[in-house]
Amino acid sequence: DTAVSQTPKYLVTQMGNDKSIKCEQNLGHDTMYWYKQDSKKFLKIMFSYNNKELIINETVPNRFSPKSPDKAHLNLHINSLELGDSAVYFCASSPDRVSNTEAFFGQGTRLTVV
Amino acid sequence: AQRVTQPEKLLSVFKGAPVELKCNYSYSGSPELFWYVQYSRQRLQLLLRHISRESIKGFTADLNKGETSFHLKKPFAQEEDSAMYYCAPKGGTASKLTFGTGTRLQVTL
Repeated sequence: DTAVSQTPKYLVTQMGNDKSIKCEQNLGHDTMYWYKQDSKKFLKIMFSYNNKELIINETVPNRFSPKSPDKAHLNLHINSLELGDSAVYFCASSPDRVSNTEAFFGQGTRLTVV
Repeated sequence: AQRVTQPEKLLSVFKGAPVELKCNYSYSGSPELFWYVQYSRQRLQLLLRHISRESIKGFTADLNKGETSFHLKKPFAQEEDSAMYYCAPKGGTASKLTFGTGTRLQVTL
C-alpha cells in the first residue's frame, strides 16, 4: 500500500498550458505539503495545509494554486506553465503540525515544460 | 531569518572510511532536527531525528545547540550509503519543515 501517492509520475507539456498534479495520502494525516526540487536538487517548500486549511504559502507565483478537497488530498494546479517551472514536485504528509513528527513523501512528479 | 547550511555539495569517500556530513542551522526558537535521505530513483525518506537519539543504518547525529550544528556521522561508509542527504529543521509557528541544500555522498571502492 502506497502511503503518499502522486499522479502523474512524469509530465511533459508545452509553455502556456495549464496542468494539475494530484496527491493522496492514506495515512490519516492532518497535514500535507508541496515541495519543489530544482535541477540542483534544492528542496523548497511551496505550500502546507492542515485539515484542508492553508497554513504555509511561501513566495510562489499566483499561477500555482493548491486545492485540498479533503484532508487526504492536496492537488496542485499550475496555470500558464513556464520553462522555469520544470522541476520535480514532491507531495508529503505528516500526522499533524507538531514539530517532532516525521514527514512522508510521495515519489515525486517530474514536470518538464518545453 | 531561518537558514540551514550544508557546506558540501558532494562528499566522496572510500568504502570503510568515516563519513561526516555537516549541517549548521540558524533558526528562531528550538527547532526539531531531522536528516532525510534520497536514494537514487527513490522517494525522500526520514533517516533519523535528534529527539529519538537512535542510530539508523549506522548513522548518528548529535545536536550541538551551542554551535547550532547537527552533523551526520558514520564510522565506516558502505556503498549502499551513496545518496543525497538533507538536513531539515522543523519549527516556527507553522511547524515548517525546511531543507538544507543537500549533500551528495558518493562511496567508492
